[in-house]
This record gives sequence, C-alpha cells and structure tokens, in this order.
Amino acid sequence: AQKITQTQPGMFVQEKEAVTLDCTYDTSDQSYGLFWYKQPSSGEMIFLIYQGSYDEQNATEGRYSLNFQKARKSANLVISASQLGDSAMYFCAIFRGATNKLIFGTGTLLAVQP
Amino acid sequence: NAGVMQNPRHLVRRRGQEARLRCSPMKGHSHVYWYRQLPEEGLKFMVYLQKENIIDESGMPKERFSAEFPKEGPSILRIQQVVRGDSAAYFCASSPVTDRDNSPLHFGNGTRLTVT
Repeated sequence: AQKITQTQPGMFVQEKEAVTLDCTYDTSDQSYGLFWYKQPSSGEMIFLIYQGSYDEQNATEGRYSLNFQKARKSANLVISASQLGDSAMYFCAIFRGATNKLIFGTGTLLAVQP
Repeated sequence: NAGVMQNPRHLVRRRGQEARLRCSPMKGHSHVYWYRQLPEEGLKFMVYLQKENIIDESGMPKERFSAEFPKEGPSILRIQQVVRGDSAAYFCASSPVTDRDNSPLHFGNGTRLTVT
C-alpha cells in the first residue's frame, strides 16, 4: 500500500523568507509521481509542482522547488521568498499509474507573516 | 480552454434527501476522479471513471453513493438519503491519458455539501 506523511500540521514563515514543507512517502513501486497542491481558504486545489520517480533533477516551478531524495523517500517542497498570498494548506500526493490513484497526505497549513 | 467545471459550488440538503454533484472534465479528458474532503482532512479517493465505465470504486461507501460518467454529458456523483456525515467538499479531477505518473490531475473548485 502507498502512504504519504506530512508531519507538520502547521508552519509559520516571515514574508520574503524561504520555507520547507516536509513530505515522506512509502511505496514499493519503481515508477510513481509526486505532486504538491495548494489549497487556499477559498477551497480550490491548485497544482504546484510534479516530480517523477525517474527524474534525476529536482523539479522547479518559479518560487517552488521540490527537494527529492529518493533513497530517503522524501519530497519536500521549498517555497522561496514567501509572500502573503502563499498562506494556504499544502498537500503532498503520490500517484501510481498502475492504479490511477492519487493518494494525499493530511496537509500542512502555512501562515506567512508580514 | 475551460478547466474542470463542478456544479453546484454549494449544495444544502436535508437529511434523507438526494444530492447530485456534477463534473464536466477538461476538454479532451476522458478520465474522471472523485475525491472527498472532510473538514480538517486531506482528500480521499472515492472513484475513478472513464466514459461509460467505472474503473475503480474502492473508495466509495458501499451504500447510498453512486457515480457515472455517461457517453454524453457530465460525470455525476449521486448520494441518496444523505446524512450529516456526508457533509464535506467533493472534488472532481480529470486527466487525458492512462499512464498518469507524470501528468497532474486537474481539479475542479469542488462542491461543498452541507446536510442539515
């Protein structure tokens, strides 16, 4: 069975600082995808960044980067230069093509302080 | 190019009524997923459908819940005889291909169901 663990229920960060949101996963599959989604207070799910299990380079999308450590089974999200609009819930998820399921972690609530 | 469209955005039902949630996938997408998010929790997989087929319904409650994705029209998640515990946000997502490891699911804005 696959599992995603986000150990930080809540995080604070000062505006313009960088923050790392932790995510570890458990899977026996060789091929899988790791995703991060943002859910602001308005409720929609916004795709942020993707990392494939065979990708050798860490994924980056603007201010978002994914610190992928395959041996440790971790896929931490790094947000650089935090902005007030980054305040939201952040969900890590793992996808396995064989089952076509996206399994979510419990999320981390990020609060950016001015 | 419109995204995944869900309606209604908010739905209020009394206990015992039926709830129908609709999802129109992105253009060109033939795979639809339904997820449920209870308050203060992450999203939980419910069902995965392709046109006219239920592929995986392992996350669906055994009773009162059903889903369909007809050849024409939106996907429908139907909850019969709703109870207060059904109050949640229901999200639909779509994708274009079967090999999904490297394509993000595109989510709709969700339907917030409140059972009074």
